[in-house]
Amino acid sequence: AQTVTQSQPEMSVQEAETVTLSCTYDTSENNYYLFWYKQPPSRQMILVIRQEAYKQQNATENRFSVNFQKAAKSFSLKISDSQLGDTAMYFCAFTLIQGAQKLVFGQGTRLTINP
Amino acid sequence: NAGVTQTPKFQVLKTGQSMTLQCAQDMNHEYMSWYRQDPGMGLRLIHYSVGAGITDQGEVPNGYNVSRSTTEDFPLRLLSAAPSQTSVYFCASRRTYFTGNTEAFFGQGTRLTVV
Repeated sequence: AQTVTQSQPEMSVQEAETVTLSCTYDTSENNYYLFWYKQPPSRQMILVIRQEAYKQQNATENRFSVNFQKAAKSFSLKISDSQLGDTAMYFCAFTLIQGAQKLVFGQGTRLTINP
Repeated sequence: NAGVTQTPKFQVLKTGQSMTLQCAQDMNHEYMSWYRQDPGMGLRLIHYSVGAGITDQGEVPNGYNVSRSTTEDFPLRLLSAAPSQTSVYFCASRRTYFTGNTEAFFGQGTRLTVV
């Protein structure tokens, strides 16, 4: 079974700083997708960024970028120029391309951006 | 465009009571799923459905039933509520198979407390 591990339960940085959230996963398969979701206090789950495992280039979305290391099974999220609105729970998630494509989540990292 | 609608948003049950969490989507998505979110454990898959009339178990199915009589609706039934089912429940929908542009859409969540 696939597993996703986020080893940082909580993180806190000052506004405008850069912060990196860690995620590792375990699978014996070669084709999959990885995601980062943001959950603000409103509880809404918001897709931040996705990465397709067959793409070597790291995905970027404005201030959000990932460092995808396939051999190491690592998928970290970097938030540049952090803003107060980035305060949220962040979840790393994984799904295989074949089969039932169940979305498997990590434990989450609670990120606080301080003014 | 309503997206994924969950009702109710909050619910308190007594141990042994039954109830149904409602989930409806208006995007004609084939794939629907239910997750529970607990502190330190991320989101865990309860049940999922790949289309009307087809359901399957996820990671934590015990104590929950589902059915899928229409494409739009995917209710989650708690047969005899237990304190261990105190959690936040999320319904999600998406197209059946993940491709480069597929996104899972989540409802606003239901906070359930069993006393």
